[in-house]
Amino acid sequence: AQTVTQSQPEMSVQEAETVTLSCTYDTSENNYYLFWYKQPPSRQMILVIRQEAYKQQNATENRFSVNFQKAAKSFSLKISDSQLGDTAMYFCAFMKPTIWGKLQFGAGTQVVVTP
Amino acid sequence: DVKVTQSSRYLVKRTGEKVFLECVQDMDHENMFWYRQDPGLGLRLIYFSYDVKMKEKGDIPEGYSVSREKKERFSLILESASTNQTSMYLCASSLIAGGPDTQYFGPGTRLTVL
Repeated sequence: AQTVTQSQPEMSVQEAETVTLSCTYDTSENNYYLFWYKQPPSRQMILVIRQEAYKQQNATENRFSVNFQKAAKSFSLKISDSQLGDTAMYFCAFMKPTIWGKLQFGAGTQVVVTP
Repeated sequence: DVKVTQSSRYLVKRTGEKVFLECVQDMDHENMFWYRQDPGLGLRLIYFSYDVKMKEKGDIPEGYSVSREKKERFSLILESASTNQTSMYLCASSLIAGGPDTQYFGPGTRLTVL
């Protein structure tokens, strides 16, 4: 079974600064997908970024980027130029490429952006 | 935009009651999922469905059942609610399975069982 570990329960960052969230996972699979989801306070969870394991290039979406280290089974998320609207719970998730598309989530990291 | 709606944002029930949580998606998605979210545990999959009338157990199905009579609707049923089922319940849907397909989440139902 896969496990996803987020070791930072909470992180605080000032506006315009950069914060990096860590995620490690355990799997014996060679092909899989990794995701970061964001859950703002009292709002719906949305996808931030995804990475296919067979792609060596790290995914980037505007101010969000990942550092994918396949050998180390690490998938960190970097938020650059943090904004107040980035305050949210962030979840790392793993998916095997089976027909079911099941996600395995980490425990989450609460990010608080302060003025 | 994909819209996933859940019947209630907050629900309070008593131990032993039968509880229905409803989820509706409007984008003709094949797959639908029910998760429960607890602090420190993240989201855990209860059940999922890849087609009408089809269902598969997730990681924590005990004490729950599901129903999918129509493609757009996926119901989670607590046959006899217990206090340890107090939690946030999230529904999600996705168009296809097995690939890096985005799951779209509903707003969640916070269930309290007294």
